Amino acid sequence: DQQVKQNSPSLSVQEGRISILNCDYTNSMFDYFLWYKKYPAEGPTFLISISSIKDKNEDGRFTVFLNKSAKHLSLHIVPSQPGDSAVYFCAADASNFGNEKLTFGTGTRLTIIP
Amino acid sequence: DAGVIQSPRHEVTEMGQEVTLRCKPISGHNSLFWYRQTMMRGLELLIYFNNNVPIDDSGMPEDRFSAKMPNASFSTLKIQPSEPRDSAVYFCASSLYGARETQYFGPGTRLLVL
Repeated sequence: DQQVKQNSPSLSVQEGRISILNCDYTNSMFDYFLWYKKYPAEGPTFLISISSIKDKNEDGRFTVFLNKSAKHLSLHIVPSQPGDSAVYFCAADASNFGNEKLTFGTGTRLTIIP
Repeated sequence: DAGVIQSPRHEVTEMGQEVTLRCKPISGHNSLFWYRQTMMRGLELLIYFNNNVPIDDSGMPEDRFSAKMPNASFSTLKIQPSEPRDSAVYFCASSLYGARETQYFGPGTRLLVL
């Protein structure tokens, strides 16, 4: 049972436009969410995170939005740049004293078209 | 720092053979994670260690998989005997402490079991 779902395997966006990547989760105990970015032949790298006490977190061109009632989060990249072409993984964690662990989605491949 | 080091980068083996994947975490990091990436399931946590002690191995698929961390600078993931369905990319990651701290991933080991 996939507790973190990224229903769009791929997305193509024109350079300079906004990229919106979506993620849905089913476990209501999740209270911390992260996005990781992965280039081919490399390991994932941390991008941005958000706690469930917030509904938005911004870092430069990257903003993550959290809608707890809908169990949905999204990553906005604006403006999109060619270097943003990568696979993006959404991840979630539930507080479990001493046993925190991330549950990842299957990823969305973002392609920025020059 | 050199980052998380994994070896080998690629491994091709025949069904039934033993496979050993190796990881050297970033110096000073107290948590180490082993993940497996497949197209169908994305990134799955197999096992993680805090201070060299296994905390959660519920993601280990079956008894054929085992992991050790004999000291703070080395961990192994062993598959014995290997099966074609074990073919995947295996990542090791480390963090200062815990899953919510930024996890730094190694480049991964691409395993193909024939």
